[in-house]
Amino acid sequence: SQTIHQWPATLVQPVGSPLSLECTVEGTSNPNLYWYRQAAGRGLQLLFYSVGIGQISSEVPQNLSASRPQDRQFILSSKKLLLSDSGFYLCAWGDRADEQFFGPGTRLTVL
Amino acid sequence: AQSVTQPDIHITVSEGASLELRCNYSYGATPYLFWYVQSPGQGLQLLLKYFSGDTLVQGIKGFEAEFKRSQSSFNLRKPSVHWSDAAEYFCAVGATHYNKLIFGAGTRLAVHP
Repeated sequence: SQTIHQWPATLVQPVGSPLSLECTVEGTSNPNLYWYRQAAGRGLQLLFYSVGIGQISSEVPQNLSASRPQDRQFILSSKKLLLSDSGFYLCAWGDRADEQFFGPGTRLTVL
Repeated sequence: AQSVTQPDIHITVSEGASLELRCNYSYGATPYLFWYVQSPGQGLQLLLKYFSGDTLVQGIKGFEAEFKRSQSSFNLRKPSVHWSDAAEYFCAVGATHYNKLIFGAGTRLAVHP
């Protein structure tokens, strides 16, 4: 069966520091991968999606970037964090039937 | 453009009462529709989905949803709510391009004993 992992689970970072969040998927090949952000009291905003290694599409302009160095690895990064980057970050993988499966999330607090 | 509206930000029901969470969507073609549930600090779990066929869809945990094309709605229902159903519920529509999902803002459900 497929599983999706995210780490770290929680992270507290100072403004201006770098960021790297990792997401890995097991049990499937060539999945679509997605990064979402959920701000406090708000819905999910799609940040990036990827249909293959090295292929990244950005949905909204922002301070973040994403990379997919391996088929089942998706990384969310920033060179310098802003206060507004705080939130709950969810990684998801999608099969070809439009369904998406979500990881446990990373709670990021920028101070 | 595709969009999803969940009119109710917060709903409170008594345990054992019936529940209906509203979802309206805007989409140019036949939509793929989903309901997800999120417990505090957790990821999202799929409750049910509609792709085609029978407009009444059964999901996990006793939930069901009905697709009504004329009303552009996909409301989630449960006949008798349990305290463990307290969570946030998200409706989503599948966009055509690369299986992206467009989410509503969510409805937070509180259950009184």
